[in-house]
Amino acid sequence: DQQVKQNSPSLSVQEGRISILNCDYTNSMFDYFLWYKKYPAEGPTFLISISSIKDKNEDGRFTVFLNKSAKHLSLHIVPSQPGDSAVYFCAASASGSARQLTFGSGTQLTVLP
Amino acid sequence: EAGVTQFPSHSVIEKGQTVTLRCDPISGHDNLYWYRRVMGKEIKFLLHFVKESKQDESGMPNNRFLAERTGGTYSTLKVQPAELEDSGVYFCASRAGGYGYTFGSGTRLTVV
Repeated sequence: DQQVKQNSPSLSVQEGRISILNCDYTNSMFDYFLWYKKYPAEGPTFLISISSIKDKNEDGRFTVFLNKSAKHLSLHIVPSQPGDSAVYFCAASASGSARQLTFGSGTQLTVLP
Repeated sequence: EAGVTQFPSHSVIEKGQTVTLRCDPISGHDNLYWYRRVMGKEIKFLLHFVKESKQDESGMPNNRFLAERTGGTYSTLKVQPAELEDSGVYFCASRAGGYGYTFGSGTRLTVV
């Protein structure tokens, strides 16, 4: 069974608008959450992360929100740019698991010029 | 600093053949992981090395998969004999400490 779920396989957004990518998890042992971005024929690259002791982390145009009670996190990109078009993976990790990552299935974001 | 290097980038083999994937982690990174993405689904954990020791191989699908990391440097992942369901993209990642994973570009394996 999938412990990290990204229910939207794709999302299209107009350039300059906000992109919101969602992720749900089921394992309450997860205490660290990450977003990775992946371009075709490349490996995932780290984008932003958040610890379970926080509910928001911001880095430039990227903000991650964590709602522990709902077991939900989201990635906001504002303003969206065509270069942001990629597959975005949500990942989670539990302490004591040697930081093994559990990934969602990814969301393909397309930013239209 | 050189990144995580994987080769080959692509491999097409027939069912029943053997394939060996190689990963060169970032120098000095003790932690090395193998992950796999099948059919556009989620990226799944296969196993974790700390130096030359296997810490966790709970994600290995079956005994047709063998991973090694001799000397704690590069790692190989051998699939023998390959089956159709083994097709996918195999990613290697390395980590020094903390949460700083660096992934390689992956090996796309196609079994026909």
